Amino acid sequence: QKEVEQDPGPLSVPEGAIVSLNCTYSNSAFQYFMWYRQYSRKGPELLMYTYSSGNKEDGRFTAQVDKSSKYISLFIRDSQPSDSATYLCAMSVRMDSSYKLIFGSGTRLLVRP
Amino acid sequence: IAGITQAPTSQILAAGRRMTLRCTQDMRHNAMYWYRQDLGLGLRLIHYSNTAGTTGKGEVPDGYSVSRANTDDFPLTLASAVPSQTSVYFCASSDSLGFLTGELFFGEGSRLTVL
Repeated sequence: QKEVEQDPGPLSVPEGAIVSLNCTYSNSAFQYFMWYRQYSRKGPELLMYTYSSGNKEDGRFTAQVDKSSKYISLFIRDSQPSDSATYLCAMSVRMDSSYKLIFGSGTRLLVRP
Repeated sequence: IAGITQAPTSQILAAGRRMTLRCTQDMRHNAMYWYRQDLGLGLRLIHYSNTAGTTGKGEVPDGYSVSRANTDDFPLTLASAVPSQTSVYFCASSDSLGFLTGELFFGEGSRLTVL
C-alpha cells in the first residue's frame, strides 16, 4: 500500500465549477501537507502548505486537512481553464535528524471553457 | 532570476552509455534534490544534498550518482544507462527547512529516453 494515495483522474469540470481534489494517507505522523500544481511539460510549483489540521485559504484555493481521517483536500473556487493541470499532494514528517517528504502521483484536472 | 536550470531538456540515449544531467540554481539554497517522475508512480527521490560537500541517497538511488562541489550545481550521473531509467528527471532546491514544509523549487525537467 502506498503511503499517499491520489486518484489520477482525469477530472473534467466546466469553467466556474468548484473543484475538490483529495488525497488519503496512511502514516499518522505526517505533519506538513502541501499541494503542488504541475502544468504539462513543466516542473511542479508549490501552491500552498498547511501544518497539522484545519483550513488554509489563498485566493480561490482552500487546503483542508483532516488528520483524524488521514484525508486532505484542495478546493478550487470559480475554476478557470488556466487551472487545467496536474495537482500533486505531498506530505512530510521529521524523522530524527532528517525529513521524509512523500508525493502523491497526481490528479489531472481539465477545466472546460 | 532563472531559479533552477536543467540541461538537457530532452535526450535519447543508447543503453550502456554514460549520461550526466546538469542542474544549476541561483537562489543560494542549501539543499538540492533529484527526483524522477513516472506515470502512476509520482515523484520519487533519487539523491539529495543538504549542503555543499554532502550527499545522501533517496528512495531510488541505484544506478545514479551525484556530487555537490559547490552551492549552485548538483549534477546527476547515470554511469551505464538502462531502459528502466527512461523517465522525466526533476532537479529541485530549497532552504534548510524546505524538505519539511515542502517549499521546494523545481526545474523544468529533463526528459530522458534510454533505448
